[in-house]
This record gives sequence, structure tokens and C-alpha cells, in this order.
Amino acid sequence: DVKVTQSSRYLVKRTGEKVFLECVQDMDHENMFWYRQDPGLGLRLIYFSYDVKMKEKGDIPEGYSVSREKKERFSLILESASTNQTSMYLCASSPARWAQPQHFGDGTRLSIL
Amino acid sequence: ILNVEQSPQSLHVQEGDSTNFTCSFPSSNFYALHWYRWETAKSPEALFVMTLNGDEKKKGRISATLNTKEGYSYLYIKGSQPEDSATYLCASYAGNNRKLIWGLGTSLAVNP
Repeated sequence: DVKVTQSSRYLVKRTGEKVFLECVQDMDHENMFWYRQDPGLGLRLIYFSYDVKMKEKGDIPEGYSVSREKKERFSLILESASTNQTSMYLCASSPARWAQPQHFGDGTRLSIL
Repeated sequence: ILNVEQSPQSLHVQEGDSTNFTCSFPSSNFYALHWYRWETAKSPEALFVMTLNGDEKKKGRISATLNTKEGYSYLYIKGSQPEDSATYLCASYAGNNRKLIWGLGTSLAVNP
């Protein structure tokens, strides 16, 4: 089975801190994604990566950056955390072909105080 | 349509009832339609990926159909059980865009 592991289930940080969310997948997938999920807004794509060192902006990239130095790891960085970034963050991976499903991690519930 | 739309937004049924919900998506440059189930406190789990017009897929009591010409997909659950309670998400991939477009989901509650 595909395993997508997010580093933390729950995280509490303070406004202005630099926050790192880590995601690791073990199936050699080319594509990796970061989403946030907020009530009434569904899944919104922040960034995705289709190869090592490659990244593309999703629908809501402002205030975020990403890093993909190795194929199995995709990091989401909040450069200066703000309270409106309090959310559930989900990482996913998939093979290169878009007819293949995405596999999700368990999510990180991030609270910015 | 430019977005993926799901209806109804929520649904309450009794155990044993059969039910269905709809996903509408842009039909131009269509490439694939994904269905996921998202149970509370768990991560979304893929149910089906469908690509061909007229495609029908089945997994146990859950099945889905696809009409790419008119841009809709139906998800059916036969004989609903309490463990089917979840949010069902669909997402569309068009060939001219590198990302899935997600619907907001249909929240299903099955009462025992």
C-alpha cells in the first residue's frame, strides 16, 4: 500500500514564526501536492510538484513556499505564519499519469496563535 | 461550466436505502474524473478514476457512471450502511491544466 506520511498531526505555532510541514511518500510517485481544507471551501491546492526541484503554484500560493529536493519528500513552508493560515493541511502524491488516483496523508491540523 | 459542482451538498438516508449523487464538470478537454471518500478523522481515499465516456465502475455496493459529452458523473450507493457515512468528493482533470479541479463534496449521513 502507498504510504504518505505527514510529520505532525497537530501543530501550534505563533504569528510570525517560520513553519515547516513535511511530507514523505514511499511509492516513488512523481507528483506531490499540498492542499488546505477549510469548512465550506473544500480542498484548495497550494502548490504541487511533478518532479524533483520542480514546483508549480496552485490556487492559493500566497504566503507559502515549497521545497522538493528529493523525490520522496515535499515540504510546505509558511514563511511568516499568520492567523489566517490556521487550517487542515493535506499532502498527497500520485504517479505521473493523471488518470491515477492521488494518495493522501492523514493531515496536519495547524493552529497559528 | 468552469468549476466542478456536486449535488446535493448533504444527504441523510436510512440504513438500507439506496442513494445517488451528482458531479458536474467541464466537458471540454476532459481527461479524467476522480471520486474519493473522506471519512471524518481520516484521509481522503480514492474510489474510482474514470476516463472514457460511458465508463461504469463498481466497488462493492458503490458504483459510478461517466458522461463526458454532457459533463456529469453519478455515484450510486446500494443498500447504504452507517459505515458509508462520509463526504464524497469528485475532481476533474482537463488536459490543458496540470491540476485537479475539486468539487465541494456531498456529505452523506446514514442513520442506523
